[in-house]
This record gives sequence, structure tokens and C-alpha cells, in this order.
Amino acid sequence: GDSVTQMEGPVTLSEEAFLTINCTYTATGYPSLFWYVQYPGEGLQLLLKATKADDKGSNKGFEATYRKETTSFHLEKGSVQVSDSAVYFCALVRNTGGFKTIFGAGTRLFVKA
Amino acid sequence: EAGVTQFPSHSVIEKGQTVTLRCDPISGHDNLYWYRRVMGKEIKFLLHFVKESKQDESGMPNNRFLAERTGGTYSTLKVQPAELEDSGVYFCASSQVGVSGNTIYFGEGSWLTVV
Repeated sequence: GDSVTQMEGPVTLSEEAFLTINCTYTATGYPSLFWYVQYPGEGLQLLLKATKADDKGSNKGFEATYRKETTSFHLEKGSVQVSDSAVYFCALVRNTGGFKTIFGAGTRLFVKA
Repeated sequence: EAGVTQFPSHSVIEKGQTVTLRCDPISGHDNLYWYRRVMGKEIKFLLHFVKESKQDESGMPNNRFLAERTGGTYSTLKVQPAELEDSGVYFCASSQVGVSGNTIYFGEGSWLTVV
């Protein structure tokens, strides 16, 4: 079945450090790929998405590129801030059938001042 | 336009009691989904409605969980009787095929604590 694998956390970085959170997926066909973020005590927010191969999603300084050849959608940010501390979820949605979202396990990010 | 709204935002109940969570999807969205994240683990699919019909309920953990969507508008998820392992956050989401690239919009979640 479809699945998403993302790097285990927690990830601890100093402010202004470079961030990479790896995400790979297994799916039939051509899914859409997403990154969601959950800040402490808050709900799930869509961070960025990409709907086809080679698309780059970007938002708030975060970027991820849909790589079909490596079935990956790694999240990157050039300079993290303390306010980026949250749990990040990689997810996919198959574009046929029920459009069910499959999530990765989540990666907790701590950014120190 | 209002987003997906969920109620209650937080609930603390005793083991054995009943809790009913409510979700109001974005107006006009036929697809409604329930997910949950328990004990800091991954977010798992529970079930999917298309209008008032259950399209996929393969993720429902056991018969203590009952979801309904009468009239195809809002949905409820009842847990009866609640157990300690049901603690977590329950997310509702909605979408409409062909709108915004089939993007699924999530609510803020209902945080359930069973003590």
C-alpha cells in the first residue's frame, strides 16, 4: 500500500542553521505531495504542496521539490528561526479514488536561540 | 469563507464515558475525513465520507467508534466507552474534487484526554 517515510526526530538546530527533513514515499501512480506543520498546541496547517514531478512547493522560506526518480519530497529551509519549532508531517494524496491522505510519522524540530 | 471547524477543541473525560466530536466541513465539500494522532505517533486515517455515505472506514480501530454524517453536512464521531488509549488529537478534513487541486483542508483538531 501507499506509505510515507520521513526522518525520525527530534531534530535540534541553532537559529539560522540550514534545515533538511527527508521524506520518501511509495505510491502507485502520481500522487500529490504535501508538507504539514503542527505548532505546539495548535492544529494541522498546510505548509506547502506539489502536484506533479519536478514541481517545487514553497512557503515561509520552506521549499520542497517533487522528485519522481527518487520518490522524495525533502523539506528545506536556509535559515531556521525559533518560531519554526514544531512537528512537520510529510504526506501524499493519490489523485484517484478516495483522495485519502497518507502521513509520515512526523519530525519534531527544536530551534534554539 | 469559513474553514473546517471542530468542536470541542479540548475535552477531558473519564474512562468509560462517552464523547462526541463534531466537524463542520467547508461549505460545499462532499468529501469529509476523520484522522487521529495518538500518543505522539503518526496521524492515521479513520474514515472517509462522500456526502452522507461512508466511502472507506478501514481505519476505524474498533466498534467503540461510530461516525455519522446525516444529511451530508456536518459529521460526528462518537467514542463509547472511551479508553485511555483513545487520548490524542482527532482531526477532521474536507475536500471537493476538482477544487484547488484536490487539496484537503484540515480543522484545528479536537484534543481528547481520557483519564
